[in-house]
Amino acid sequence: DGGITQSPKYLFRKEGQNVTLSCEQNLNHDAMYWYRQDPGQGLRLIYYSQIVNDFQKGDIAEGYSVSREKKESFPLTVTSAQKNPTAFYLCASTPTGISTDTQYFGPGTRLTVL
Amino acid sequence: GESVGLHLPTLSVQEGDNSIINCAYSNSASDYFIWYKQESGKGPQFIIDIRSNMDKRQGQRVTVLLNKTVKHLSLQIAATQPGDSAVYFCAENKAGTALIFGKGTTLSVSS
Repeated sequence: DGGITQSPKYLFRKEGQNVTLSCEQNLNHDAMYWYRQDPGQGLRLIYYSQIVNDFQKGDIAEGYSVSREKKESFPLTVTSAQKNPTAFYLCASTPTGISTDTQYFGPGTRLTVL
Repeated sequence: GESVGLHLPTLSVQEGDNSIINCAYSNSASDYFIWYKQESGKGPQFIIDIRSNMDKRQGQRVTVLLNKTVKHLSLQIAATQPGDSAVYFCAENKAGTALIFGKGTTLSVSS
């Protein structure tokens, strides 16, 4: 079953803790993305990666970090420096790098800071 | 800055009616546009896309219209069904840049 998986579906974190969200794809896509979605808002780009071992900041990268050690994996760490981390996080991928390609999304992870 | 917006945050229609969801974009250099559907608690699903060399594209029960003169994009859903109830997002980009998403229109379909 091809696609993008994100885990966990729900995540709770205490204030001051770092937490890592998983994103895996078996579509053999080169590019992967992380978005944040707040209620009633569109998607805002956090980070993206066009190839392994390379990534760029999006519009709201502060307080987040990523790695791209493998083509199929693009984990996102929400650090304690992120002041308002409660949100719905979406991972996406495209066959090639930043280009006019359709993005395919995972099911999302809802992060709640207690 | 550059942004993509939707004209109405909510749209309510009766089952069987046609729905039209509108989107205005600000970057005249954008050459690719996508409509996504997002159901509650799920990731966005691709509906249909259109490139800037086209004015219209049709899918199954959906049509996307692009008016580059006024930088306007619309999604038409024919014979709207309760299962069409969701948030609809438009997105745009040009080659070499990331997608920019609008804020979304919530479509409610009543029986």
